[in-house]
Amino acid sequence: DSGVTQTPKHLITATGQRVTLRCSPRSGDLSVYWYQQSLDQGLQFLIQYYNGEERAKGNILERFSAQQFPDLHSELNLSSLELGDSALYFCASSVRGGRAYFGSGTRLTVV
Amino acid sequence: TQLLEQSPQFLSIQEGENLTVYCNSSSVFSSLQWYRQEPGEGPVLLVTVVTGGEVKKLKRLTFQFGDARKDSSLHITAAQPGDTGLYLCAGVQGGSEKLVFGKGTKLTVNP
Repeated sequence: DSGVTQTPKHLITATGQRVTLRCSPRSGDLSVYWYQQSLDQGLQFLIQYYNGEERAKGNILERFSAQQFPDLHSELNLSSLELGDSALYFCASSVRGGRAYFGSGTRLTVV
Repeated sequence: TQLLEQSPQFLSIQEGENLTVYCNSSSVFSSLQWYRQEPGEGPVLLVTVVTGGEVKKLKRLTFQFGDARKDSSLHITAAQPGDTGLYLCAGVQGGSEKLVFGKGTKLTVNP
């Protein structure tokens, strides 16, 4: 158990819909990272938050947004979903740029 | 273009064989990490290498960081079925805290 909790574990939704993925980092970790894993692209960095502030942005679509709350949990919002958004979404946390611990992921299926 | 290229993409071997997987880039990394990911789980860190030419051993696993800090290799001696999984390398560049992942090597060790 990495100590990083992601919910839900599975999500099936229709195209055009909006979903929210949730991540609770390890106790004491201030940094949260979101990654998307698909078969053809591998693990792609989406966005990082540190203590509530956006710190780095990767290949995140404009339809996607994220935030980190005062209690340090984070949410990734995906809107106007397309079939190609089907993937595993992972959250990771670290103290600050140190060892990153990954959650078990949310498997999103868009139908 | 993938910043980190991993090879081979797939590897299926018999228990007791040795193997090496590679992680190559044209870019320099301040550190490089190796992860193992099992189905339905997030990646789990195996090792971090920081210094060019560094060699680290973890039981039957030997990790090497290239002298120029652009490439790395993972060698497994006497592979066991429990070594089966997706092996990912990930690099950190400069002052960034984000991890850039390769697409991974899917290893299957048959009993």
